[in-house]
Amino acid sequence: DTAVSQTPKYLVTQMGNDKSIKCEQNLGHDTMYWYKQDSKKFLKIMFSYNNKELIINETVPNRFSPKSPDKAHLNLHINSLELGDSAVYFCASSWTVEETQYFGPGTRLLVL
Amino acid sequence: AQSVTQLDSQVPVFEEAPVELRCNYSSSVSVYLFWYVQYPNQGLQLLLKYLSGSTLVESINGFEAEFNKSQTSFHLRKPSVHISDTAEYFCAVSESSSNTGKLIFGQGTTLQVKP
Repeated sequence: DTAVSQTPKYLVTQMGNDKSIKCEQNLGHDTMYWYKQDSKKFLKIMFSYNNKELIINETVPNRFSPKSPDKAHLNLHINSLELGDSAVYFCASSWTVEETQYFGPGTRLLVL
Repeated sequence: AQSVTQLDSQVPVFEEAPVELRCNYSSSVSVYLFWYVQYPNQGLQLLLKYLSGSTLVESINGFEAEFNKSQTSFHLRKPSVHISDTAEYFCAVSESSSNTGKLIFGQGTTLQVKP
């Protein structure tokens, strides 16, 4: 009965590859987010969707493309992976933009 | 634009000692304030938050934080820490009038509780 789940948990890949990270929440929340945590543990928001509509798109390279097929899912596709993309990516969700955000366990991406 | 500064990157403390993790923020508008905790190899969990009302907020596991508007601070305190409190602690703000829920995080403070 995991609230916010992400797959895969670990992802090791070569530079130049394309990969996707999936996120699902079973809390019935309307808003979902993607955050990136770098090697110094600094967290920065990347994207946010509310009812499948994009509401935050930070200065993220356009190699990153979020996709929300329905309210419960927000997937992150990354094209042409670079070394600097290595990080932990966290998905989160909340009822509304004012409410507490619930985080998934994270996906540890390592680009070689 | 908002920013958050956590003044200590690491705080070592002995078990049962009191601790304070400092957080200052900068914003030209009203904000909501949050403390999140991240245990090793896990996601973030909300510890406590200030939205409005009483400036002192408490968590269920003994932490408390006080919103001080004049000093733009939201320091986290616990009178007696346990080994299990060892974790990374993040202070965060969001603009209270925003319709995006965007959280701006501080750099994090590693709390190391020693026996």
